[in-house]
Amino acid sequence: DAGVIQSPRHEVTEMGQEVTLRCKPISGHDYLFWYRQTMMRGLELLIYFNNNVPIDDSGMPEDRFSAKMPNASFSTLKIQPSEPRDSAVYFCASSPGADRNYGYTFGSGTRLTVV
Amino acid sequence: QKEVEQDPGPLSVPEGAIVSLNCTYSNSAFQYFMWYRQYSRKGPELLMYTYSSGNKEDGRFTAQVDKSSKYISLFIRDSQPSDSATYLCAMRRTGGFKTIFGAGTRLFVKA
Repeated sequence: DAGVIQSPRHEVTEMGQEVTLRCKPISGHDYLFWYRQTMMRGLELLIYFNNNVPIDDSGMPEDRFSAKMPNASFSTLKIQPSEPRDSAVYFCASSPGADRNYGYTFGSGTRLTVV
Repeated sequence: QKEVEQDPGPLSVPEGAIVSLNCTYSNSAFQYFMWYRQYSRKGPELLMYTYSSGNKEDGRFTAQVDKSSKYISLFIRDSQPSDSATYLCAMRRTGGFKTIFGAGTRLFVKA
């Protein structure tokens, strides 16, 4: 298994541009999570999906952020328009289920820099 | 007050030392407790998990949970330079699937 795959690994964009981050979870994992990591705030949960349905998006900072999961093998996190304060490492993680204490498998992250 | 508090360090120890990493939390509903290890430029990876109170051992690693004190610990015996990483505690409540992470403690093990 290739694990959770994220693309791109690095993204540099200008303020005001649209940014799309992509994630392919592990096959068979029913849960998908988007986290953001910064030095100041650590790992913050943005949104998570169960069976492709968004369950909790209370961590999405504002309307500029949106996430979709059109099928079990693909999810996107979009920022439009991007701002310098969005600069962070964005992680996608997946997990097989909630009925036992399964941990998360994280991708390698997308390092976003907004200039 | 944050739900999960963790000293960011850095913590520097000589090779072979016993390392103690700790977190405190405020939400008594947390039942699942985890430790993740994160190497530089990588995603976190699950290291240990425990349910409710008690100890769990896996090789050189021991996780402890004291729910009465709302305090969890990770001990690393015979630490190695390859243990140098950031260690994040994480926890969530029963019936929920939202995991809250600590800030992470940076550990350096010197050869």
